[in-house]
Amino acid sequence: DAGVIQSPRHEVTEMGQEVTLRCKPISGHNSLFWYRQTMMRGLELLIYFNNNVPIDDSGMPEDRFSAKMPNASFSTLKIQPSEPRDSAVYFCASLSGGSYNEQFFGPGTRLTVL
Amino acid sequence: EDQVTQSPEALRLQEGESSSLNCSYTVSGLRGLFWYRQDPGKGPEFLFTLYSAGEEKEKERLKATLTKKESFLHITAPKPEDSATYLCAGHQGGKLIFGQGTELSVKP
Repeated sequence: DAGVIQSPRHEVTEMGQEVTLRCKPISGHNSLFWYRQTMMRGLELLIYFNNNVPIDDSGMPEDRFSAKMPNASFSTLKIQPSEPRDSAVYFCASLSGGSYNEQFFGPGTRLTVL
Repeated sequence: EDQVTQSPEALRLQEGESSSLNCSYTVSGLRGLFWYRQDPGKGPEFLFTLYSAGEEKEKERLKATLTKKESFLHITAPKPEDSATYLCAGHQGGKLIFGQGTELSVKP
């Protein structure tokens, strides 16, 4: 099993540019989570999906952030326009529907906005 | 406000020196208390879930315990490979609320 796959692993962009982060969950998992991790705020949930449907997006910081899950094997997190304060590590995690236990995390995307 | 607080922020131990990490929580409707390990440059890795006060779980040198207000991660005779950041999280309504983590360093 390849685990949760995220791309790119590193992204450096300039303020005002659009950024798209991608995630492929573990096959068969029906819940997907997007997190952001910074030194100041730790690991924060941005949004999560069950069966491709957004359930809770209360953690999305503002309208510049949007997330989609067009099918069970792919999700995107988009920032438009990006700002320096968006610099962080963004994690995607997936969970099997039969358990409240293990969320399997991807390796993360380190985003730097200059 | 629902929150999870971990202490200390950082802990340095000598190899073999046992200690405990604390996780205090105020999470309404808590459905479980989770512990994760995170190595530098990687995503968190699941360790334990505890569901009720008095419950204990063990894995190698780690033992997690739970009360109604806090959880402890006890590390017995740690080794350098136990060095990592340990995160706890409260499960509420389908989502996890994470603490800031404790960065553990074990020196040989």
